[in-house]
Amino acid sequence: AQRVTQPEKLLSVFKGAPVELKCNYSYSGSPELFWYVQYSRQRLQLLLRHISRESIKGFTADLNKGETSFHLKKPFAQEEDSAMYYCALNTNAGKSTFGDGTTLTVKP
Amino acid sequence: GAGVSQSPSNKVTEKGKDVELRCDPISGHTALYWYRQSLGQGLEFLIYFQGNSAPDKSGLPSDRFSAERTGGSVSTLTIQRTQQEDSAVYLCASSLSGGGFDEQFFGPGTRLTVL
Repeated sequence: AQRVTQPEKLLSVFKGAPVELKCNYSYSGSPELFWYVQYSRQRLQLLLRHISRESIKGFTADLNKGETSFHLKKPFAQEEDSAMYYCALNTNAGKSTFGDGTTLTVKP
Repeated sequence: GAGVSQSPSNKVTEKGKDVELRCDPISGHTALYWYRQSLGQGLEFLIYFQGNSAPDKSGLPSDRFSAERTGGSVSTLTIQRTQQEDSAVYLCASSLSGGGFDEQFFGPGTRLTVL
């Protein structure tokens, strides 16, 4: 069975500071990993996926198979980054497993 | 085009009553997912449809929960004999093919309150 762990329920940083949201997973197969974000009063939406190896809104995430991690990072946080962030794992069989989410607050 | 839509947006019901929640996926998306988001909790996977069939029903919490999808499009999640612990936001998502690489597009959710 797969599992996604986001150890921090709440994370607070000041504007301009670096931010890292942690995500660890367990899965016996080859995982497809995603970060989704939910801004206040908006729908849950994709932020980035590991297969794309892209940077979105300044965020990046690297899949580390040795440490089974997919941490989300941004060097300089902005107030508009305040949101709920979910790490998710997909299997080829179609099942999705989401972590419990991390609420990020960026203070001015 | 239109995104995923869900109805109703809010539902208040009495304990013991049955409720039906509806999801309209993005046109052409073959995969459809149901999740439950309880207060302070993450997203709990309930069920996944590929076309009209559900290869994975492992997340349904009890036999009071059932779901169907017809015509490869609209899906209905039914909760029978609702209990207070069923109170949550129920989210629906769809993806193009359900493959591991696919992005899921989420609906706005249905907030269910069981009194």
